[in-house]
Amino acid sequence: GESVGLHLPTLSVQEGDNSIINCAYSNSASDYFIWYKQESGKGPQFIIDIRSNMDKRQGQRVTVLLNKTVKHLSLQIAATQPGDSAVYFCAERSNYQLIWGAGTKLIIKP
Amino acid sequence: DTEVTQTPKHLVMGMTNKKSLKCEQHMGHRAMYWYKQKAKKPPELMFVYSYEKLSINESVPSRFSPECPNSSLLNLHLHALQPEDSALYLCASSQMQGENSPLHFGNGTRLTVT
Repeated sequence: GESVGLHLPTLSVQEGDNSIINCAYSNSASDYFIWYKQESGKGPQFIIDIRSNMDKRQGQRVTVLLNKTVKHLSLQIAATQPGDSAVYFCAERSNYQLIWGAGTKLIIKP
Repeated sequence: DTEVTQTPKHLVMGMTNKKSLKCEQHMGHRAMYWYKQKAKKPPELMFVYSYEKLSINESVPSRFSPECPNSSLLNLHLHALQPEDSALYLCASSQMQGENSPLHFGNGTRLTVT
């Protein structure tokens, strides 16, 4: 079963604003976390990852935050663009398996 | 464009047909995966190959038969499927199984069983 969950199944954001997608995980022993973006008709695309010995990692326009105290993971997208419209999945590696969250659909309002 | 290539993109087959899905990667990855994805759901793991040997079979019905001819290729042979097997079938690869490195996915084969 899934142990990684999301607070919001759908998120609507104004173009140009920042987006924050949240994810909760249940296994405190998980040591690696990944965010994927899946556009319609495509496979999941790797966005950013973070190891459990880190709290924050930044990429191009994206930041992942890891709060191990409350077992919470978030993806921040700066200056959201129409091309960011997709379903976003978080995943944790636990016991060498990848456990996926349910996904959040990000909708960009013009 | 993805570095994992899957063919065909779309496949329609009857319940008595035999077909194969193909996947290819040239990143030198030694772990390859088959996932099944239903609409609005996350991918579900089916099989894992590590160094061309089957490492994980997630209790997948025998009508799905994986094959790894070499380190770059992964096939999924389909026989006597059911309509409920209609889904997006995703192939992925990673440097090594169990390592903390991301999986790279292809764009999948959209399978419809009639």
